Amino acid sequence: EDQVTQSPEALRLQEGESSSLNCSYTVSGLRGLFWYRQDPGKGPEFLFTLYSAGEEKEKERLKATLTKKESFLHITAPKPEDSATYLCAVQEVYNFNKFYFGSGTKLNVKP
Amino acid sequence: NAGVTQTPKFQVLKTGQSMTLQCAQDMNHNSMYWYRQDPGMGLRLIYYSASEGTTDKGEVPNGYNVSRLNKREFSLRLESAAPSQTSVYFCASESRDAYGYTFGSGTRLTVV
Repeated sequence: EDQVTQSPEALRLQEGESSSLNCSYTVSGLRGLFWYRQDPGKGPEFLFTLYSAGEEKEKERLKATLTKKESFLHITAPKPEDSATYLCAVQEVYNFNKFYFGSGTKLNVKP
Repeated sequence: NAGVTQTPKFQVLKTGQSMTLQCAQDMNHNSMYWYRQDPGMGLRLIYYSASEGTTDKGEVPNGYNVSRLNKREFSLRLESAAPSQTSVYFCASESRDAYGYTFGSGTRLTVV
């Protein structure tokens, strides 16, 4: 069965303390891996799409990487405004309409 | 602003009542989706519509029906609400060119 697991469930960082979030997946055929940011009371906001192992994408303090089994979201020198829940999702190559979401990592950055 | 609009934002229902959640997008996207989000379980797909005139079941369709009214609008109906349907519901749309979803701001539904 296709599955997406995110770790840790929650992460507390001091402002400026870099760290990484993990998304491991098992899917019969990967078309794309997606990262979203979700603020409390709001819908998820699209961040990145990764399609093949070795690919990297960057946006401000965030960098996403992809291997054949997992993806990492690296946060460099985070600021309090980076506090949010980060969701990972995978899309099947055999059915573009099927996305499987992880349960997310809740990041709290203290000033 | 362009995007996905959901109504209502909050709703409380009694067990057995029915209601329809509305969703509209103005980005000319072909595909639209309904998800529910529960603590610790992530987003789960209820129904989706790959194009106007088509709908398909997702992971958790029981107790729900959908209508793709036109290219812009995709509604979700609960015919007889149950406490297990207490959740936050998100509508999303997707353009094949852009990949990735655009989500609405959600409907928080409580069934008592």
